This record gives sequence, C-alpha cells and structure tokens, in this order.
Amino acid sequence: KNEVEQSPQNLTAQEGEFITINCSYSVGISALHWLQQHPGGGIVSLFMLSSGKKKHGRLIATINIQEKHSSLHITASHPRDSAVYICACHSGGGADGLTFGKGTHLIIQP
Amino acid sequence: ETGVTQSPTHLIKTRGQQVTLRCSSQSGHNTVSWYQQALGQGPQFIFQYYREEENGRGNFPPRFSGLQFPNYSSELNVNALELDDSALYLCASSWDGQVDTQYFGPGTRLTVL
Repeated sequence: KNEVEQSPQNLTAQEGEFITINCSYSVGISALHWLQQHPGGGIVSLFMLSSGKKKHGRLIATINIQEKHSSLHITASHPRDSAVYICACHSGGGADGLTFGKGTHLIIQP
Repeated sequence: ETGVTQSPTHLIKTRGQQVTLRCSSQSGHNTVSWYQQALGQGPQFIFQYYREEENGRGNFPPRFSGLQFPNYSSELNVNALELDDSALYLCASSWDGQVDTQYFGPGTRLTVL
C-alpha cells in the first residue's frame, strides 16, 4: 500500500514569497498529481507528472522518481493562491484509484 | 470547469438512513471513481466503475455501492448511514480507466446526525 506524506501541513506566507510544498511516497508510481482544493471542496488538477518537471504560469512541479519525492513551487505568491494543495499518486494498478496525501493548507497574506 | 457535476451540493441525513449521491461525468468519459474525504484528511478511494461495471474497490464495506449508466451519469449509494460517513464525497471521471487523467466534480457534503 502506498503511503503519501506531505509537508508542511500548514503554511502561512506573505504575498510575493516563493512557496514550496513537498510530497513523498513509499512505493513506485506511474503518475503523481498535484491538485488544488478551494473552500467548498472542488478539486482542480494542476499537474500530472511521471518524470522531470512541468511549469504552468507561476506554478512549477518537479518529481524525482529515484527519491520518491515531488515538490510543488509557487513563485510570486498571491492571496488567490490560498487553498489546500494535495498530492496524489497512481501506482499503475489500473482500477485502484489514486492515493492522496492529507494536503497542505496554504494561506497567502496580502 | 471540469465538466463533471455532482448533486446535491449538501445533504443532511440521520444515522441508519440510506443516501444516494449523483455524478454526471464529462461527456465521453466511461470511467468514474468515487472518493470520500473526511474533514482535514485527503480523499480515500471508494471504488471505480468502468463501462457500468465495478472495476476496483478501496477499503470500504459493502454498504457502499454504486451504479453507472450509459449516459455517463453514476450514483453512489450508502446504506445504514453511520456518523463517520459524514464527509465530502467526490467523483472523478476519466477515459478508459486512465486514473492519471481524472476530472473531479465539486463534491457533495454529507452530514450524518
């Protein structure tokens, strides 16, 4: 069973700061997702990674398959980035769904 | 917008009752996964339906059951509700079981009193 750990659990930062959220997992995966969840519940998929690095606007996601570790970075953070960021792993078993971390609650203060 | 909708948005039930939650998948997506997210926790996989058949299941008891229909809609049914069933229930649709490309709905918040 894959264990997905995120850190930190909570993060408060000032607008403009560079943010890093970390995710570690225990067994090999075929894909890793970074998801954003706003108050009220809706989940938006930010990235899906199987290797390397992806960038979308101010968001950057990296993954190190050997170290079983991924990071999500936010540059020039803004209060609208305040949300819960969740890491989720797919172990490639087909119909076993995703295994989620508990999430990182990010607050960006103006 | 992901094209995945869920209803109702919120629901309050009492212990022992039965509940049906609904999900309308993105058009063309033949796979739907359901997740339970307790307060302060990450979502937990309940089960997946592919072409109207259950295709995989997480660690949830049989009182959690589902249906998927040809029009890409699906249902999650929970019988004999327990207090611990209070959670946000999320559905996610994808094509041909490709769990690595899922589109999530906004969720249904279930409260069991």
